[in-house]
Formats: sequence, structure tokens, C-alpha cells
Amino acid sequence: GAVVSQHPSRVICKSGTSVKIECRSLDFQATTMFWYRQFPKQSLMLMATSNEGSKATYEQGVEKDKFLINHASLTLSTLTVTSAHPEDSSFYICSALPGTGSYEQYFGPGTRLTVT
Amino acid sequence: GQQVMQIPQYQHVQEGEDFTTYCNSSTTLSNIQWYKQRPGGHPVFLIQLVKSGEVKKQKRLTFQFGEAKKNSSLHITATQTTDVGTYFCASGGATNKLIFGTGTLLAVQP
Repeated sequence: GAVVSQHPSRVICKSGTSVKIECRSLDFQATTMFWYRQFPKQSLMLMATSNEGSKATYEQGVEKDKFLINHASLTLSTLTVTSAHPEDSSFYICSALPGTGSYEQYFGPGTRLTVT
Repeated sequence: GQQVMQIPQYQHVQEGEDFTTYCNSSTTLSNIQWYKQRPGGHPVFLIQLVKSGEVKKQKRLTFQFGEAKKNSSLHITATQTTDVGTYFCASGGATNKLIFGTGTLLAVQP
């Protein structure tokens, strides 16, 4: 159990376009989801905390208008990278926290975004 | 903001040798979690430590939380090729946000 999926796994887009990444908890409800960014051979950087039914909480330095997060249901959170630029190219990973008092985060497989 | 440093950044061992990665914080941690990320994969939860001086074991893996709750370590006994990957510590708190350490990449030569 506790499977988290992400779609797409890879995406290539042109500068100036927007890209939506979906994160789904497949077999549990997630009141909280997190979005991370990871550069090659580096650590995970928390971008924002997504709570179902409320606005996301962004970490310092992360532009909320550029990285739009919507947590529409207890099993789905989306991250939209708006007006993408080459420097937005990265590995984006989501994680989900079951609302059962668990502290263990379940990570999705990640989405590789390349902006040309 | 809070930073969690890990050393070493990279470790290359022969299969059968032991391996240890250390995690250090300048501030007291509520808890520490450890994750493993295989090359090309995503982080997978290993364990959480909460109590000062806590030691937990999972087969060949031993996790320790420092007495001052500012450092932690992961020790692998007799490494195997399946242990290859990056090991991250991550500090958690009341909000369940995780601040990941810088990670240690382990390479195991058969």
C-alpha cells in the first residue's frame, strides 16, 4: 500500500509555456502533500506544502505565482510551472502524508522537466 | 534557515566493508528521518528517530540519534551492492515539513 504516482514522468516544453504535474495518492487519502525540487546530484529542496481545500504554503524564495499548487481533493495535488524558463528544468518530486497521524512521507516517482 | 549537513558527500567501499554517514544540525531537532534514494529513483523512508540517544536497528543498518538531538548517524555493516544509493537524513517538526540533509552517495564495488 501507500503508493504515490506522478504524471507525467518526463516532459519537455518550450520556454514561455506552462506545464502541469499531477501527484496522486493511489490507495490512501492525503490531507497534506509536499512538492520538492531536486537538481542533479543534489538534495531535495522543499518548495511548498499543499493542504487539501486551502492555499499552499510556500517556502521562502519560491515564487507562488510561478509555481501554482492546487490540492483539489484528498488524493490529488497539482503543480503548474507557469511561463517556464530553462532554469526551471529540474526533477520535481511530490510526497504525500496520510492523515492518520503518520509521519512517514510517501514519495512519488518524480517528474523530469526540461525547458528548451 | 535551518541547515542539515551530511558527511561524507560521497563514499566508495568494497563490498563487505562497513559504511557510516553522519548528519549534523546547528539547531536541536525534533526528530530525524532517514531516506534512501536509488539512482534515478525517489526517496524511500527508512526510519524515524525521536528520542535523545535513541538507537534503532534494521538488519545491517543501525541508526543513532545524538544525546543533544543535533546529530544522527547511519551505519551499514558489511555493505552489499544493493545498498548503492544516496542516503539522506531529514529533520521533521510539528508541521511535518522535512528539511533534507545534503545526502551521502554510497558506491559499492563488487
